[in-house]
Amino acid sequence: NAGVMQNPRHLVRRRGQEARLRCSPMKGHSHVYWYRQLPEEGLKFMVYLQKENIIDESGMPKERFSAEFPKEGPSILRIQQVVRGDSAAYFCASSPWDRQETQYFGPGTRLLVL
Amino acid sequence: GEDVEQSLFLSVREGDSSVINCTYTDSSSTYLYWYKQEPGAGLQLLTYIFSNMDMKQDQRLTVLLNKKDKHLSLRIADTQTGDSAIYFCAETAYTGRRALTFGSGTRLQVQP
Repeated sequence: NAGVMQNPRHLVRRRGQEARLRCSPMKGHSHVYWYRQLPEEGLKFMVYLQKENIIDESGMPKERFSAEFPKEGPSILRIQQVVRGDSAAYFCASSPWDRQETQYFGPGTRLLVL
Repeated sequence: GEDVEQSLFLSVREGDSSVINCTYTDSSSTYLYWYKQEPGAGLQLLTYIFSNMDMKQDQRLTVLLNKKDKHLSLRIADTQTGDSAIYFCAETAYTGRRALTFGSGTRLQVQP
């Protein structure tokens, strides 16, 4: 049973470009969460999604950031017009519908904005 | 609001026990977690405890919860060099908002 998969593992973008981060949850998991980790800090919640629905986006910046979890395919976190302050590790977690108290994390995508 | 606090650093000798402490402020916390993060890696769920429990043991790991003081601890028995990592405490109220609130992490250094 493969774990949570994220790609790319490392992403370099110049200021003003777009970043697309992908997350494939564990098999059978229908809930996806995105977190951001700034250097030397803990993880901060961004958004919680179920298939085709955003349940909680209270941690998502209001501008430039969006997330989706389509019926088919991975969840996508999209950052438009990236700035240097977006440089961070972005982690995806997933949980099954019947044990939603457990979140299993992927290896993360490390975004560097030049 | 929710806040989770941890000490930043702990150094122990191989074979000793490690105790990592965490305090939280949200009285509605339902589940409390310990995650381990090795350099450049994601977070590994070590264990979690439901708020109506005082203690949970899993092999070398013992979690103690003092709900009155909002204090959570993780004890690692017979600490090994492979236990060197950052340990994050996290909590969720679970009902409604499923987001985890994390502490800033405790870096555990195990000296041979």
